[in-house]
Amino acid sequence: QKEVEQNSGPLSVPEGAIASLNCTYSDRVSQSFFWYRQYSGKSPELIMSIYSNGDKEDGRFTAQLNKASQYVSLLIRDSQPSDSATYLCAVPAQNFVFGPGTRLSVLP
Amino acid sequence: DAGVIQSPRHEVTEMGQEVTLRCKPISGHDYLFWYRQTMMRGLELLIYFNNNVPIDDSGMPEDRFSAKMPNASFSTLKIQPSEPRDSAVYFCASRRDLGEAFFGQGTRLTVV
Repeated sequence: QKEVEQNSGPLSVPEGAIASLNCTYSDRVSQSFFWYRQYSGKSPELIMSIYSNGDKEDGRFTAQLNKASQYVSLLIRDSQPSDSATYLCAVPAQNFVFGPGTRLSVLP
Repeated sequence: DAGVIQSPRHEVTEMGQEVTLRCKPISGHDYLFWYRQTMMRGLELLIYFNNNVPIDDSGMPEDRFSAKMPNASFSTLKIQPSEPRDSAVYFCASRRDLGEAFFGQGTRLTVV
């Protein structure tokens, strides 16, 4: 089993809709989880981190963590065309492995 | 801090040549990671260092790849000899403790 799995997409949503991105992981001891965004031709950048079960909100972004199910998700409310990018889930542990990423397209 | 600095930004080389990619991590960060990104394989971890010591190099694809970190402010990734299938974007990233990783701008390598 791969360490971190994501839906590869592409995921297309209309402008203003909610985009839902999902990630599952196999490392039960990880305590922190990160979501990165990568625009085409650019390097990944951190947009959300979450450390405890439940929800964490930051502006239009909400990260949800369920350690028992080894599942973390990212919701983007009021999606904008500028949100079109690849979203990478990272389960740091020590070796900071990333999932394959989900490509999101927000259609005007 | 200027962030993670990689050089060169672009490299075009002929098959069989040696390629050296360079990285300067953020000052004070004790972890350094080398990744390779392609459309087919995504972002792959090649090797990472902790306090300048290589911890896990299981992602290094072949013996043609080697990485060093002679001090806390410099690391290299070397490919010798290079092959067309090594063409990819190579990222360096650094982190402090178990915090977020910060990425450099990457080196786009093309082997012809």
